[in-house]
Amino acid sequence: DQQVKQNSPSLSVQEGRISILNCDYTNSMFDYFLWYKKYPAEGPTFLISISSIKDKNEDGRFTVFLNKSAKHLSLHIVPSQPGDSAVYFCAASAVLSAGNKLTFGGGTRVLVKP
Amino acid sequence: NAGVMQNPRHLVRRRGQEARLRCSPMKGHSHVYWYRQLPEEGLKFMVYLQKENIIDESGMPKERFSAEFPKEGPSILRIQQVVRGDSAAYFCASSPEAVDEQYFGPGTRLTVT
Repeated sequence: DQQVKQNSPSLSVQEGRISILNCDYTNSMFDYFLWYKKYPAEGPTFLISISSIKDKNEDGRFTVFLNKSAKHLSLHIVPSQPGDSAVYFCAASAVLSAGNKLTFGGGTRVLVKP
Repeated sequence: NAGVMQNPRHLVRRRGQEARLRCSPMKGHSHVYWYRQLPEEGLKFMVYLQKENIIDESGMPKERFSAEFPKEGPSILRIQQVVRGDSAAYFCASSPEAVDEQYFGPGTRLTVT
């Protein structure tokens, strides 16, 4: 039962353009969403998060959008840089009801071409 | 402020042996989480601990796996009688409070031969 899905396993984008990563979830109890970036042989690095009371959160080049009615969130990276090439994981938690355990999607591998 | 520390980074065990994975959370963090990543998959929650307490172990296999976070020292994930299917990357994360974002360590890559 995959409660968090990232349907695009990979994404290729030109340097300077926008990267859009998508994530869908099924559990309506999720109230906190996060994006992590992961390089090979390293642990995930926290990028940005959003609470279910918001529909947008922005931090520098990263913006996360949340559409609760569609149970969908997306991460926009603009402009994309070669150093952004990594695997990106969407994660969700139901903090108020189930503590802070994170449920992860399967990841999207991003390649930014110079 | 050092990040989350995990050791060893790589661990090779033969089938039937025990594996002990250690995690030292970031300074000031009292919440520790363990996740497992199988090849080509996302991370899967295993267990959530606070000092001397297991808060949520709903993701732990029922047998052979145990975790602790003692009053002093690192958190330990212990796998007894390892099998090939235990080969994976095991990540530890910590947070200052239960509702905060989690910060991950570099992981321990367990290979069972």
